[in-house]
Amino acid sequence: GQNIDQPTEMTATEGAIVQINCTYQTSGFNGLFWYQQHAGEAPTFLSYNVLDGLEEKGRFSSFLSRSKGYSYLLLKELQMKDSASYLCAVTGGFKTIFGAGTRLFVKA
Amino acid sequence: KAGVTQTPRYLIKTRGQQVTLSCSPISGHRSVSWYQQTPGQGLQFLFEYFSETQRNKGNFPGRFSGRQFSNSRSEMNVSTLELGDSALYLCASSRQDTDGYTFGSGTRLTVV
Repeated sequence: GQNIDQPTEMTATEGAIVQINCTYQTSGFNGLFWYQQHAGEAPTFLSYNVLDGLEEKGRFSSFLSRSKGYSYLLLKELQMKDSASYLCAVTGGFKTIFGAGTRLFVKA
Repeated sequence: KAGVTQTPRYLIKTRGQQVTLSCSPISGHRSVSWYQQTPGQGLQFLFEYFSETQRNKGNFPGRFSGRQFSNSRSEMNVSTLELGDSALYLCASSRQDTDGYTFGSGTRLTVV
């Protein structure tokens, strides 16, 4: 079967750093995506990891450990506009399966 | 460049009816995937098409079907609608499997 777990909600303060974890168990793995989804909008692509290690892209970084079935998304210098849901998604076998998402609230 | 276009944006149908949703991917994107999004279940995979071939499908009943045309445009059909089919249906396209999806704005289906 396939299972993707991530925390339901997180709260952080503007300017801080937050780490959103994702663990997965899948049959067939090509890579892992992170998407951002603001309320009432479609998801937008943030990052893609296929090899173990850290991928940095501006204020956002994503880490993958294939052997542990574990990934995290790191958001630095949080801004109010980062309040959104963050979706972890695993791709393999011509399909991408999404986790339920982590709702991040950024407070002033 | 134009994004992923889904039509219609909103739809209200009665139980037992059928519905067809349309998706036009970004030019050059041959992979099209469909998802159902509900507050309780999140994004649930429906099917994936590439060059007119369905390469995978999710765990949905046979009432849900789809197809892709030679110009990569895709349609999905839901027959014998049930109240539980009320959801946001999202279409996403990508150039290749390692690219991230670009999602359309979705079709919000309400079954009454």
